Amino acid sequence: DTGVSQNPRHKITKRGQNVTFRCDPISEHNRLYWYRQTLGQGPEFLTYFQNEAQLEKSRLLSDRFSAERPKGSFSTLEIQRTEQGDSAMYLCASSSTRTGPYSPLHFGNGTRLTVT
Amino acid sequence: GNSVTQMEGPVTLSEEAFLTINCTYTATGYPSLFWYVQYPGEGLQLLLKATKADDKGSNKGFEATYRKETTSFHLEKGSVQVSDSAVYFCALRHPRGTSYDKVIFGPGTSLSVIP
Repeated sequence: DTGVSQNPRHKITKRGQNVTFRCDPISEHNRLYWYRQTLGQGPEFLTYFQNEAQLEKSRLLSDRFSAERPKGSFSTLEIQRTEQGDSAMYLCASSSTRTGPYSPLHFGNGTRLTVT
Repeated sequence: GNSVTQMEGPVTLSEEAFLTINCTYTATGYPSLFWYVQYPGEGLQLLLKATKADDKGSNKGFEATYRKETTSFHLEKGSVQVSDSAVYFCALRHPRGTSYDKVIFGPGTSLSVIP
């Protein structure tokens, strides 16, 4: 168990560019979550998957955001036409329903996005 | 909707002082409650949890009791150490089947413990 891995750790991009982040969850975990965290705030829920199915999307997630988990393993989060307001830490977490409905979320260290 | 409110920080304490970080929640039904901690430069990690009313979660000397009557889950530690300096997040989870299951976090409380 190597934990949840996120890449890249940091991304600096210019406004209007597209960016893609990757998350590799703990291997036996069937649920995967994306959160966004800005300075001084708690993580805000964006979306989550059970296996390859995207079960819920926050209304925070505009049409410029898309997430996929094509084979039920790793996931990608893409932001198109980035805006300065997209600058934040993007967190990925995973959990397993096999250990019960209250199994904890395991978080990665996040990808910090800066839009200039 | 569901939400979590925490006491504002930052909180600064001397080593061996008593810690309380207040947390209250708003939710329908019976959520499960968590405290997560984020040490400097690290990802969030689960500190403790409680899944039903009157449960007490505990870990690393920290405790929190699920109080349904006051919708609270206050975090306490009898004697803090410098290594406890971190940001603490109260959170709730309200699973209903498989189509609605997300963890909602409070804004976090930053704790600094000075020697």
